[in-house]
Formats: sequence, structure tokens, C-alpha cells
Amino acid sequence: AQSVSQHNHHVILSEAASLELGCNYSYGGTVNLFWYVQYPGQHLQLLLKYFSGDPLVKGIKGFEAEFIKSKFSFNLRKPSVQWSDTAEYFCAAGNTGGFKTIFGAGTRLFVKA
Amino acid sequence: DTGVSQDPRHKITKRGQNVTFRCDPISEHNRLYWYRQTLGQGPEFLTYFQNEAQLEKSRLLSDRFSAERPKGSFSTLEIQRTEQGDSAMYLCASSLGSRGDGYTFGSGTRLTVV
Repeated sequence: AQSVSQHNHHVILSEAASLELGCNYSYGGTVNLFWYVQYPGQHLQLLLKYFSGDPLVKGIKGFEAEFIKSKFSFNLRKPSVQWSDTAEYFCAAGNTGGFKTIFGAGTRLFVKA
Repeated sequence: DTGVSQDPRHKITKRGQNVTFRCDPISEHNRLYWYRQTLGQGPEFLTYFQNEAQLEKSRLLSDRFSAERPKGSFSTLEIQRTEQGDSAMYLCASSLGSRGDGYTFGSGTRLTVV
């Protein structure tokens, strides 16, 4: 069965701390991987995406994610978080046709100023 | 381009009533998706359109749910005989092309069934 699993439901960090959010997926065939972010009161926005090529992808606002095929993982990282990174982060996996993207349950990140 | 618009933003209805939501995608996007999100969960896929054709429906979409996208532009999602379990945020998203470039989401319609 297709699924996306996010390791942590809630993460609390102080500003300048490093961030890593775990994501594992189970999806048959070639997979596209995404991280979306939802800031308080806003809609879901695409943070970064992986289709093929370099397994280390860079997104907006200093975020990056690494695709490790052997581990079926796509973890999100940021070297130094800011208070404005407080948001909910969703990992997602989809087929190369672009439809039926499935989402993880999300990780709520709170950054203390 | 004002992004993906959904209407209404909030809907409170009594159990057993019918409700209809509207989604206006980004005009040049040929693909449109409906998702449902409940508290503490990620979005769950409901259905997907390419232009006016509804190409896939989730098992979550019972026969009380119907979606349309006439003329390949806006879409409507109707829920008949609503139940309390239908209370959720209903999200619409759109995308262009077949590579799965990522979706642009609307702000959603929050449905509360009382």
C-alpha cells in the first residue's frame, strides 16, 4: 500500500538550532517527492521537490532535502531555523504522472525566539 | 493570477443537508484535485480531473460525493445527505502538465456538520 510516514508530530526548537524532519515513503514505481509547508493561517505551499538527478535538492528559505533511495527516505533539513519557520510541514509522494499524490500526517514545528 | 480560489471558506450545515463547494483553479492549469483534511492528518486524496475528465476517484469518495469540472475550468464538489463524519477541511489544488510539478493549493473550505 502507498504511504508516507513522518517521524515526528511535534518539534520544538530554539532559533538558530538545526532542523531535520524525517520522512519515509512506500510507493510503487518511480516516485516524485515533495515537502509542503503550511504557515499559520495560510494555505499549503510547495517547499521543494525531487524528480530525478541530484538526490540533494534545495528549496526556498534555505531548506534542503535528501533523497536516499535505499532507505526510502526524503528528510528535510535546515542548518539554522528562524522564528518565522514555525509552521506545519508535510512530506508527500506522487507518481510520475503527477496525480494521486499522498501526504504524510505532518510535523508541527515551533521555533522559540 | 490570484492562485486557487475556494468558496465558501466556511460552511456549517445540519446533518442530512446537501452542500456544494466551488474551486477556481489557476487558469492555465489543466489538472485539478480535491483533497480532504481532518485534524491531525495530512490531506487525503479524493479525486482528480484532467481538463473536464474525472480520471480517478478514491474509495473515500462514497456515492454521496460527486465532483464535476464542466468545460475544464472551475470545479464543484457536492456532498449529499451530510454526516458528522464529513466534517473536515476540503482542499482544492491545481497543476499544469504531466510531470507532477507540485500542486498549488487553495485555502480550503471548512465544513462543519452539526
